Amino acid sequence: EVQLVESGGGLVQPGGSLRLSCAASGFTFSTYWMHWVRQVPGKGLMWVSRISSDGITTAYADSVKGRFTVSRGNAKNTLNLQMNSPRAEDTAVYYCARVASPYSNYYWFDPWGQGTMVTVSS
Amino acid sequence: QSALTQPASVSGSPGQSITISCTGTSSDVGGYDFVSWYQQHPGKAPKVMIYDVNNRPSGVSNRFSGSKSGNSASLSISGLQAEDEADYYCSSYTDTSTLVVFGGGTKLTVL
Repeated sequence: EVQLVESGGGLVQPGGSLRLSCAASGFTFSTYWMHWVRQVPGKGLMWVSRISSDGITTAYADSVKGRFTVSRGNAKNTLNLQMNSPRAEDTAVYYCARVASPYSNYYWFDPWGQGTMVTVSS
Repeated sequence: QSALTQPASVSGSPGQSITISCTGTSSDVGGYDFVSWYQQHPGKAPKVMIYDVNNRPSGVSNRFSGSKSGNSASLSISGLQAEDEADYYCSSYTDTSTLVVFGGGTKLTVL
C-alpha cells in the first residue's frame, strides 16, 4: 500500500526553526517528484514547495522562499521541509504529496499524507 | 485570496447533478490543460478526483467529470450521493513562480 506519513509538527516560536518529515512506503520513492502543500484549518490549500526525484531541482512559493528548504533522502525514503524563521502566517496543516507517475514532473498529486499541524506562536 | 475563483458553496439533492466552476487566467487554467480537482472530507487529506482537465484516476466513480472552456474549468457530479458531501478544490499549473495554484474551495452539501 502506498503511504505517506508526516511528522515533526508542533508549536514553534516566530523566528525559530522546525523540520518536518514525510516517510514514504509502498512505492519506489527515488523515482517520484514530491511536493508540500499547506492548509490553514478551515481554509483553502496552498502549494509550498517541490523537489525532483533526484533532489536536484527545487521550487518554492514566494511567501516561503529563502526561509524554507525542501530536501529528500532517497536511501531512507524520506522527504523533509526545513522551516526557518517561521511566521504566524505559516501556521497550517502541512501535507506531503506525491506526483502520480514516476520520473514525471506532473502537477497533480496522488496520494497525500494525513498532514502534520504547525503552529507558529510565542 | 486564492488564485483561482470557486463558488463558496453549492448544494443538490440525492440523484441530482451539480457543477462547480473554477475561474483563473491565461497563465493557469486558460493556458494549460493541467487542471485537477480534489475532494476533501472533514479532517481528511485531499483526494484527486480529476486530473488534466477531464481524466479520472483509477477507482474514481464515473459520476465525476471535468471540462474546461477558456479561463474556466468545471467539475460535474451526477447522481449525487450522501458520500459526495465534502469540500472540492480546483488546482492548476501556472507559468508564474508559484507553479501550482488552488481555488478557495467549494463546500458541497447534499440535501
